[in-house]
Amino acid sequence: LAKTTQPISMDSYEGQEVNITCSHNNIATNDYITWYQQFPSQGPRFIIQGYKTKVTNEVASLFIPADRKSSTLSLPRVSLSDTAVYYCLVGAKTGANNLFFGTGTRLTVIP
Amino acid sequence: DTAVSQTPKYLVTQMGNDKSIKCEQNLGHDTMYWYKQDSKKFLKIMFSYNNKELIINETVPNRFSPKSPDKAHLNLHINSLELGDSAVYFCASSHASGGANEQFFGPGTRLTVL
Repeated sequence: LAKTTQPISMDSYEGQEVNITCSHNNIATNDYITWYQQFPSQGPRFIIQGYKTKVTNEVASLFIPADRKSSTLSLPRVSLSDTAVYYCLVGAKTGANNLFFGTGTRLTVIP
Repeated sequence: DTAVSQTPKYLVTQMGNDKSIKCEQNLGHDTMYWYKQDSKKFLKIMFSYNNKELIINETVPNRFSPKSPDKAHLNLHINSLELGDSAVYFCASSHASGGANEQFFGPGTRLTVL
């Protein structure tokens, strides 16, 4: 499994931008980087995916440097409802491998 | 309609018992998964099936046996339950195998072994 490393927890005040970084030193050429969000008592849900450079959707942005050994999930102007655990996952479009979620990053948004 | 459903939502049982958790997806996906999430939120893959064929079988005690009667269902049977089996178990599905394919998770089954 291609493993990832993330900070265990982060705190942020409402309205701030939050950046969560994930390290994936062993990323392979065919691997994509996918981020999931998990609210308490729910299953994780997909929020964004990228291969290189920058991807933006209505929820977040994902920044991937040229060497792709890390990635940063950026949440603009967080609100209390963004309090959740965020997981990064590295894997390819095919193949039965690369399903390492780990412990994720627990983001707590403070009023 | 719920995309990925699991039953039961809660399961409380005694050590040594045998129990099953059922999962169904109505998304037409080919691949289904079982994950275990412990109290520290560590989410670990247990099994994956693609078109009813087992493709991932991580280091899981053989007391755990998955069964896929068809592409839409993946059940998990656990024999001789132990205290360490207490966790939340998530079922998920995706269009195809491979970690880059978006996975849709069920609501989870919280298993408590007493």
